[in-house]
Amino acid sequence: EPEVTQTPSHQVTQMGQEVILRCVPISNHLYFYWYRQILGQKVEFLVSFYNNEISEKSEIFDDQFSVERPDGSNFTLKIRSTKLEDSAMYFCASSEAAGERGEQYFGPGTRLTVT
Amino acid sequence: ILNVEQSPQSLHVQEGDSTNFTCSFPSSNFYALHWYRWETAKSPEALFVMTLNGDEKKKGRISATLNTKEGYSYLYIKGSQPEDSATYLCAFLYGTSYGKLTFGQGTILTVHP
Repeated sequence: EPEVTQTPSHQVTQMGQEVILRCVPISNHLYFYWYRQILGQKVEFLVSFYNNEISEKSEIFDDQFSVERPDGSNFTLKIRSTKLEDSAMYFCASSEAAGERGEQYFGPGTRLTVT
Repeated sequence: ILNVEQSPQSLHVQEGDSTNFTCSFPSSNFYALHWYRWETAKSPEALFVMTLNGDEKKKGRISATLNTKEGYSYLYIKGSQPEDSATYLCAFLYGTSYGKLTFGQGTILTVHP
């Protein structure tokens, strides 16, 4: 069964460094998402992406964050200058459709630790 | 601010017990409610996408109901098995969203053999 994959599974970085989290969505999906979960908190939405542009983003997704689909398969999240509070599990998801028909398929996550 | 709440936070049951838990969400501007099952170290797995008031969906021993007028959904597991142990998440999709899911905090279910 097709699945969303994410790399790396765990990334440790120093405050102020740039990180790129990578995702390979399911191949026929058109909508892509990033979520994160800070330890002990709810899973929270960061951004949705369709047709090579951002459809919607949350207040968390400020100028330090960017997303890209550099080729036909990868979907990346870049954090330009990491802060301690960026430490979280980051999940990528993809769906065939948006709205009520849009069952989202999640990857296993990348645990980001900022020291 | 949209608030999605789940109860209870955690639940311990014996193998063979039936159980249920609740997801509460805003009743206005409803578009869809998603249920996910999340086992430790694995990807959250979609269980149901529910859209219509009164909807009832079933997958094996797991079923869910939806009441959009009062803003709640129930997830039921019949005859719980140890492999049902997981965190069950609900997520609300509101009317003007492009797929932005707002999650509850989850219910952690532990089924003891």
